Amino acid sequence: DIQMTQSPSSLSASVGDRVTITCQASQDISNYLNWYQQKPGKAPKLLIYDASNLETGVPSRFSGSGSGTDFTFTISSLQPEDIATYYCQQYDNLPGPTFGGGTKVEIK
Amino acid sequence: EVQLVESGGGLVQPGRSLRLSCAASGFTFDDYAMHWVRQAPGKGLEWVSGISWNSGSIGYADSVKGRFTISRDNAKNSLYLQMNSLRAEDTALYYCAKDRGTMIVTPFHWGQGTLVTVSS
Repeated sequence: DIQMTQSPSSLSASVGDRVTITCQASQDISNYLNWYQQKPGKAPKLLIYDASNLETGVPSRFSGSGSGTDFTFTISSLQPEDIATYYCQQYDNLPGPTFGGGTKVEIK
Repeated sequence: EVQLVESGGGLVQPGRSLRLSCAASGFTFDDYAMHWVRQAPGKGLEWVSGISWNSGSIGYADSVKGRFTISRDNAKNSLYLQMNSLRAEDTALYYCAKDRGTMIVTPFHWGQGTLVTVSS
């Protein structure tokens, strides 16, 4: 199975800061990567698909990049409503997708 | 608007069975593969099982293979997960999720989940 290593596991940043999360796959997954946002008590929400495509309705301050084994998720200007846990997820490999361990984002 | 409503969760003893259901609306159900994904309390996400649009392709995580069975009824716009021989480590919030296409690729849109607690 493909392992997804996400870092950091948590971070604290100020409103307006640029926030970056990385995700590394244990083997080449091309661009078969999603990024999700999960707020406390809520279901995960898709933000980015195919590594860099913004899901409809998602604010443009969110972005993703990368291919192969190394991927980056960025919030260009952190807002209070962005407090959540973010997960990467690969879908290159059978029998099914695998997720990173998550990054909890807090406001400093 | 895509709506996925899970039901059937609850408290069950180890070794017993439970059947989860997911009622889908707001899209053409039989145009999409479907998934179950779970999240243990305070933990991350784990894909459990997926089924293609016509039930011709089915997959399971190793952790549930041989104990869980996924199925769907396209006439009823419903997805199911039959869970047998339940263990304490199966305790989790179980999400139903819609894929982006007909085959098992990736969850795209998620329901709100139903909680399964396995305990004596």
